[in-house]
Amino acid sequence: SYVLTQPPSVSVAPGQTARISCGGDDIGFKSVHWYQQKPGQAPVLVVYDDRDRPSGIPERFSGSNSANTATLTISGVEAGDEAEYYCQVWDTLSALFVFGPGTKVTVL
Amino acid sequence: QVQLVESGGGWVKPGGSLRLSCAASGFTFSDHYMSWIRQAPGKGLEWLSHIKASDSSIYYADSVKGRFAISRDNAENSVFLQMNSLRVEDTAVYYCARAKLGYDAFDMWGHGTMVTVSS
Repeated sequence: SYVLTQPPSVSVAPGQTARISCGGDDIGFKSVHWYQQKPGQAPVLVVYDDRDRPSGIPERFSGSNSANTATLTISGVEAGDEAEYYCQVWDTLSALFVFGPGTKVTVL
Repeated sequence: QVQLVESGGGWVKPGGSLRLSCAASGFTFSDHYMSWIRQAPGKGLEWLSHIKASDSSIYYADSVKGRFAISRDNAENSVFLQMNSLRVEDTAVYYCARAKLGYDAFDMWGHGTMVTVSS
């Protein structure tokens, strides 16, 4: 089955840029979606279809996807961005949804 | 109010059964694919099952295939997860989630319901 990889953690100072990678075989040919989850809360969709933002999500959140890596970029990081972030795809071959293992973003 | 509300969680012994429900409101439920996703304590998200809007196609993760069954009632704006032969490792918060129209992303999630499997 399809496997996604993410770094366990990313640390960033306030105001700086956080980049979270999501690796997968030829992931550039898939649509990648990103979720933010804060402790005790349900996940929230922050980027879908590689780079689109749902309404209400700040422009600071952006995405890209190419070759074997998709990336979620958080510009001008704020303390409130501290959370776990998950990438997700639909694997057509296996007809399964797949989540990455998650990346804990810590704001220093 | 646009929301998903899960219910039916609780404590059950290994080998037991539970039926989770998810009530939708504030949107045209019958237009949307729906999924169940779980999160074990301290762990990541695990997709379990998905049902298309017309109930014509259903998918399961290997970890629950043959034990869990998803269904929906569009007249009642609800989706269900029948869980049989429960194992200790099924202990988790169970979320229902709505697929965004035209995409395979989940744009709305319920608050989750806790299932504890323990003797």
